[in-house]
Amino acid sequence: GQQLNQSPQSMFIQEGEDVSMNCTSSSIFNTWLWYKQDPGEGPVLLIALYKAGELTSNGRLTAQFGITRKDSFLNISASIPSDVGIYFCAGQLDYGGSQGNLIFGKGTKLSVKP
Amino acid sequence: NAGVTQTPKFRILKIGQSMTLQCTQDMNHNYMYWYRQDPGMGLKLIYYSVGAGITDKGEVPNGYNVSRSTTEDFPLRLELAAPSQTSVYFCASSYRGVEAFFGQGTRLTVV
Repeated sequence: GQQLNQSPQSMFIQEGEDVSMNCTSSSIFNTWLWYKQDPGEGPVLLIALYKAGELTSNGRLTAQFGITRKDSFLNISASIPSDVGIYFCAGQLDYGGSQGNLIFGKGTKLSVKP
Repeated sequence: NAGVTQTPKFRILKIGQSMTLQCTQDMNHNYMYWYRQDPGMGLKLIYYSVGAGITDKGEVPNGYNVSRSTTEDFPLRLELAAPSQTSVYFCASSYRGVEAFFGQGTRLTVV
C-alpha cells in the first residue's frame, strides 16, 4: 500500500523551543492534513492544505504543502507543555472520488521538558 | 456538540467471541470510516462508506464486516475475535471525503 514517511519518530524539546516535523511520500497527494492525538483520545484535525505551495497557520502552528506535492511540513513555534502528544500527517490521493480515504504517517511523538 | 460517538470505550473479548462496535455521527456527513491503530503505528483503514447503503474495503478488512443502513450509523462487526484484532478502533466521518473528524476510540483486547 501507499506509504507516508513521517519524521522524526519522537522528539524531546525544551519549553519555548520551535519544533519541526515532516512527511514525505513517493506518491503525489491532492491534500495534506495534520492531526494531533492526545493520550486516550481520537486524532483532532489541526491544519488542512489543499494546494501545492500552500502555507497555512493555526495559532503557533504552521504547515506547508510541498511544491512537489510529495511532502508536507509542520512547525510549532514557542512550544508549551500542552503541545505534548502524537502528531500525524495524512495525505489524500483521490479528492472527492469513490475512496476519499486518508493515508496516515506513523506519527511524531512530542514530549516537552517543563 | 456530539460529533462522532463511539461505544463502548473499552471491551475485553475472548477468542472466538463476536461483537459490534457502534459509531454514530450527527453532522450529516456522507463519508464514514473505520480505522485501527496499533502501538507505534499510524491508522490503518478497515472499511469506509461514501453514503447510506454503500460500503467498501480499506487496507485491512479481513475479520471485519460493516453496514451502513442510515447516514448516521456505521457499525463495525467482529465475527470471530482473534488476538490480532487487539487494537484501538476509531470511527471517523467527513462531509466531502477530505477532512475527517474522529471519535474517541474503542480500546479492544482479545484474550
